[in-house]
Amino acid sequence: NAGVTQTPKFQVLKTGQSMTLQCAQDMNHNSMYWYRQDPGMGLRLIYYSASEGTTDKGEVPNGYNVSRLNKREFSLRLESAAPSQTSVYFCASSVLSDQPQHFGDGTRLSIL
Amino acid sequence: AQSVTQPDIHITVSEGASLELRCNYSYGATPYLFWYVQSPGQGLQLLLKYFSGDTLVQGIKGFEAEFKRSQSSFNLRKPSVHWSDAAEYFCASSSGGSYIPTFGRGTSLIVHP
Repeated sequence: NAGVTQTPKFQVLKTGQSMTLQCAQDMNHNSMYWYRQDPGMGLRLIYYSASEGTTDKGEVPNGYNVSRLNKREFSLRLESAAPSQTSVYFCASSVLSDQPQHFGDGTRLSIL
Repeated sequence: AQSVTQPDIHITVSEGASLELRCNYSYGATPYLFWYVQSPGQGLQLLLKYFSGDTLVQGIKGFEAEFKRSQSSFNLRKPSVHWSDAAEYFCASSSGGSYIPTFGRGTSLIVHP
């Protein structure tokens, strides 16, 4: 029962480097999400994919891009990392977009 | 715009004491409501959900929550807290349909022995 798997778990980047965070779910869920979590800010939605083939911006999309590769996989890309993107990133999935979400364990990203 | 408010940033209770975490939502229609728990270093885990029907819902780990439409609230309760309940708790809400949930900023629960 893997659920939602995120890779890597930890990463340190230099300003300006690019990186892709990977997320895969094995629950046959239609909807997938990327959040960032910062102290005192709760969870903020970056992008989501309500169904395979669609992606939409969330609350804080600037500096990020996403790809819904197939029904299982939803990746998040930082094209030119900035220190303000230092955060913990969570991927989640749900059967439908208004249903309970299942979360991965997060990727802790530091940008120097 | 949808919003979810958790008025308490931190709550401190003694082990064995009762707990109530507050959550208020703003919607016109009956929302779908959720409570999640996040232990340190982990992702969020669903505690319970409310879609319709009985306004008192039971969840995992001995938690329950009550939907009160008149107060736009969905408060989380537990009669006797254990030290292992120390965690961050998030309330979330969505409208029925294709609307994704909006999360509150979370309440950090500290449990004293």
